[in-house]
Amino acid sequence: AQSVSQHNHHVILSEAASLELGCNYSYGGTVNLFWYVQYPGQHLQLLLKYFSGDPLVKGIKGFEAEFIKSKFSFNLRKPSVQWSDTAEYFCAVNGRGSTLGRLYFGRGTQLTVWP
Amino acid sequence: EPEVTQTPSHQVTQMGQEVILRCVPISNHLYFYWYRQILGQKVEFLVSFYNNEISEKSEIFDDQFSVERPDGSNFTLKIRSTKLEDSAMYFCASSDGRVETQYFGPGTRLLVL
Repeated sequence: AQSVSQHNHHVILSEAASLELGCNYSYGGTVNLFWYVQYPGQHLQLLLKYFSGDPLVKGIKGFEAEFIKSKFSFNLRKPSVQWSDTAEYFCAVNGRGSTLGRLYFGRGTQLTVWP
Repeated sequence: EPEVTQTPSHQVTQMGQEVILRCVPISNHLYFYWYRQILGQKVEFLVSFYNNEISEKSEIFDDQFSVERPDGSNFTLKIRSTKLEDSAMYFCASSDGRVETQYFGPGTRLLVL
């Protein structure tokens, strides 16, 4: 069955600390992988996505994620977080080539950054 | 940058009442979706819609739910007779289909009392 696991429900960091949020997935087939972010009171925004090619993808605001196929993982990283990164982060997956492909989401990780 | 919009942002209703949640997808998009997130749980897929018909629906999307594109801009989710367990944040999303990326609205928080 398709599923996404995000192991950290709430992460609290100080500004300038490094961030890594874990995401593991289970999916029967080739996948597209996404990280979405939801800032307080705002809509889900696409942070970055992986479809194919270089497994290290860079997104907006200095975020990057690495697809490790052997580990079924797509962890999100940022070398130095800022207070403005406080938000909820969602990992999601759907099937490659599925135009209408429903997204399977993880539970989300709430990141709080203290100034 | 064009965005998906949703109204209302919050809705409170009594159990058994009908609610309609509204979405305006991005104008050149052809694929539309509803998802929901019950507090503390995962964002869950409800339904996808293309070419004026449902393409896929989840097990959650039972006969109490329906979707419609009543005109060229709106996409609605109707819950016929709300239950307490329908309380959730409902997200609309749209896609142009070419880049397999779905763009989400801000959500409607529905509370059923």
